[in-house]
Amino acid sequence: RKEVEQDPGPFNVPEGATVAFNCTYSNSASQSFFWYRQDCRKEPKLLMSVYSSGNEDGRFTAQLNRASQYISLLIRDSKLSDSATYLCVPGTGGYNKLIFGAGTRLAVHP
Amino acid sequence: NAGVTQTPKFQVLKTGQSMTLQCAQDMNHNSMYWYRQDPGMGLRLIYYSASEGTTDKGEVPNGYNVSRLNKREFSLRLESAAPSQTSVYFCASSGAVGVTEAFFGQGTRLTVV
Repeated sequence: RKEVEQDPGPFNVPEGATVAFNCTYSNSASQSFFWYRQDCRKEPKLLMSVYSSGNEDGRFTAQLNRASQYISLLIRDSKLSDSATYLCVPGTGGYNKLIFGAGTRLAVHP
Repeated sequence: NAGVTQTPKFQVLKTGQSMTLQCAQDMNHNSMYWYRQDPGMGLRLIYYSASEGTTDKGEVPNGYNVSRLNKREFSLRLESAAPSQTSVYFCASSGAVGVTEAFFGQGTRLTVV
């Protein structure tokens, strides 16, 4: 099993839609989790950090399910500007590596 | 507001040439990383340095070497470049491994012909 697996996408949604991505991780010792956003050919930038069961920031909600070892990202009221690739990365809980998921591509259309 | 600075931003090499990618951070972070990203794919960890004076292999270390010169700087060296190393290379740093967020440089676009 890969350390981090994500829905590959692409997710094509209309403006205003609600969309959710999942990310599964294999290291049960992971305590912190991060969602990054990456625009085409740009560096990844942090979208949300999750240190407990979840986090919410405006239209974005991250939920953590430790029992099933996955974290989800929910985007409500999608905007054209949300079109990007979303990367999941679990904290390594003692292992000294920061391994990213392959990313989920989102395309929001008018 | 420099954050993480990578040089160069673009580079074309011939097969067999060597080069060093430079990375520096001004956030007093302990941990630094080098990733490569191929077209349409995710980030793959090449090497990382959990703290000054230590380096470890990541997912795809073959063909690369690294040096953690001091707390600020972490360089990546290609000793004999191959076309398979054509990629975008990102350097990142974080305060502590796997705990605080990682900040990325703008990337180096490397083409090996």
